[in-house]
Amino acid sequence: DTGVSQDPRHKITKRGQNVTFRCDPISEHNRLYWYRQTLGQGPEFLTYFQNEAQLEKSRLLSDRFSAERPKGSFSTLEIQRTEQGDSAMYLCASSLGLGTTNEKLFFGSGTQLSVL
Amino acid sequence: AQSVTQLGSHVSVSEGALVLLRCNYSSSVPPYLFWYVQYPNQGLQLLLKYTTGATLVKGINGFEAEFKKSETSFHLTKPSAHMSDAAEYFCAVSLRGNRDDKIIFGKGTRLHILP
Repeated sequence: DTGVSQDPRHKITKRGQNVTFRCDPISEHNRLYWYRQTLGQGPEFLTYFQNEAQLEKSRLLSDRFSAERPKGSFSTLEIQRTEQGDSAMYLCASSLGLGTTNEKLFFGSGTQLSVL
Repeated sequence: AQSVTQLGSHVSVSEGALVLLRCNYSSSVPPYLFWYVQYPNQGLQLLLKYTTGATLVKGINGFEAEFKKSETSFHLTKPSAHMSDAAEYFCAVSLRGNRDDKIIFGKGTRLHILP
């Protein structure tokens, strides 16, 4: 199966620690998104990439969050000095990225972060 | 900025009854509209989308949605609910004509099917 894969599936960390998540999109997909989802809420946009270029970062995102997609393939999302409020499911999605915004998003299963 | 509002965080219908999940959008220009579904312990998947042309859009599993510009709505319907339809449904929007726009999701509606 060549769907979107995320690693790890679960992460438990202590407050103040740094964490890094990885997303491997579908191989021919140029666009990659990061979303955050908490219980009872919809996916909240964090940031997205067109190839290796980061197009936008949510204004709600603090400077503790950073994302990279160095070669336009996999992406990493790092959270520094984690806080309990960072506990959530972090979702990655990819699409073809052919220049329209009506493309179907393919989602990974997510990384569940718990900050103790 | 574009946004979507889903009315009702929980909706319960009896098996065999009509399903109606409501979504209203806010956008400065006619947007692209989507419905995604999240089944228990699964990732989100696309149900249907409206881009252009016919305003009644058919999706997977018997669902359909109608784009109504005058009402700024994109409600999701299914004539007869099945137990397997129990899931969380998300309406989403992106701007037409801006190739660098992102997709914004609503807060979701959890659909419960009563036997």
